[in-house]
Amino acid sequence: DVKVTQSSRYLVKRTGEKVFLECVQDMDHENMFWYRQDPGLGLRLIYFSYDVKMKEKGDIPEGYSVSREKKERFSLILESASTNQTSMYLCASSSPGQRDLNYGYTFGSGTRLTVV
Amino acid sequence: DQQVKQNSPSLSVQEGRISILNCDYTNSMFDYFLWYKKYPAEGPTFLISISSIKDKNEDGRFTVFLNKSAKHLSLHIVPSQPGDSAVYFCAASAAKRSGNTGKLIFGQGTTLQVKP
Repeated sequence: DVKVTQSSRYLVKRTGEKVFLECVQDMDHENMFWYRQDPGLGLRLIYFSYDVKMKEKGDIPEGYSVSREKKERFSLILESASTNQTSMYLCASSSPGQRDLNYGYTFGSGTRLTVV
Repeated sequence: DQQVKQNSPSLSVQEGRISILNCDYTNSMFDYFLWYKKYPAEGPTFLISISSIKDKNEDGRFTVFLNKSAKHLSLHIVPSQPGDSAVYFCAASAAKRSGNTGKLIFGQGTTLQVKP
């Protein structure tokens, strides 16, 4: 069963800490995405990557960075966590060749991050 | 600016009746639309999609309608079942602009409750 795995389901971090959220996919997908989900705001794109070592800013990149050293792994980094970064973080992957189907977006189960 | 809007945060229907979830978009370049379903503590899962060359796509109890002139799409669930209770996200993509990345823009989500 193909999957996207996020390393933690729940995290509690202190303000100012550097936080790493890890995402691994086993589908050999080229594209990977980080979204955050907030009530009333839906899913907002933070960063995405369409190839190893490539990254593009999404709609809300401020306060975040990403790393993609290997095709299967896409990490989201909160350089200095703040309380307004408390959210549900969702990783997804897709393959360009699946556009005619459903874009092949496969999501992980999410990481609920609380910054105190 | 919210390019994909779901103006109803919540919807409650009786089991067996029809559920209609609505979505509006502003970007005329969008040419592919999808609906995702999300249960608590899980990642969104793909439900149904429609290309802009069509105005209707049906899959079992789920039908998506697209009205390009109104920049509006809707998801119909008939008959609704208690297991359909979840958050539903509308998403859109502009293939010509997003190219290889398949980047999706999501709406705010609508929480559907189907009462037994």
